[in-house]
Amino acid sequence: DQQVKQNSPSLSVQEGRISILNCDYTNSMFDYFLWYKKYPAEGPTFLISISSIKDKNEDGRFTVFLNKSAKHLSLHIVPSQPGDSAVYFCAAPRGGNTPLVFGKGTRLSVIA
Amino acid sequence: KAGVTQTPRYLIKTRGQQVTLSCSPISGHRSVSWYQQTPGQGLQFLFEYFSETQRNKGNFPGRFSGRQFSNSRSEMNVSTLELGDSALYLCASSLAGNNSPLHFGNGTRLTVT
Repeated sequence: DQQVKQNSPSLSVQEGRISILNCDYTNSMFDYFLWYKKYPAEGPTFLISISSIKDKNEDGRFTVFLNKSAKHLSLHIVPSQPGDSAVYFCAAPRGGNTPLVFGKGTRLSVIA
Repeated sequence: KAGVTQTPRYLIKTRGQQVTLSCSPISGHRSVSWYQQTPGQGLQFLFEYFSETQRNKGNFPGRFSGRQFSNSRSEMNVSTLELGDSALYLCASSLAGNNSPLHFGNGTRLTVT
């Protein structure tokens, strides 16, 4: 049961433009979401998070939007840079002391 | 502060063998989780240890096991290796689990031939 879904396996964007990565979830009990970025041959690194009490969280070029009614969140990167090329995972804890559930990831390619 | 360290980085094993992977968490982190990453499947949760006790377990067969030592270091073991066990195995630590962000190591790439 894929509780966190990233339906786009890949995305290609021109340098300087906006990258929008999407994530849907099925469990309405999820109240906290995280985005991770992963480069080849490295482990994922934490990027940004959002609590369900907010609908937006911003950190520099990265903004995450949460639409609870649609069970949808998105990560916006503006402006996109070649160094942003990586695989992006969204994740959510199932609650309590349970582990993070990850989506399958979206590979972002930023073209110079 | 040193990050999460996983050893070895690469392993090649033959079907039927067993393997042990090691993980040293960030100092002070008591929760260690293990994930398997395969192409197209994202990160699949294996198990989590907290204070030497397995706190959570994913849907993997009993061939996959782990443990945590009193210094929070963790090992995972896979017995009777199968070709499908070829994957990147990632270890992550956090202060206490729950909503604490996970800090991942660079993984161990296991190839089973």
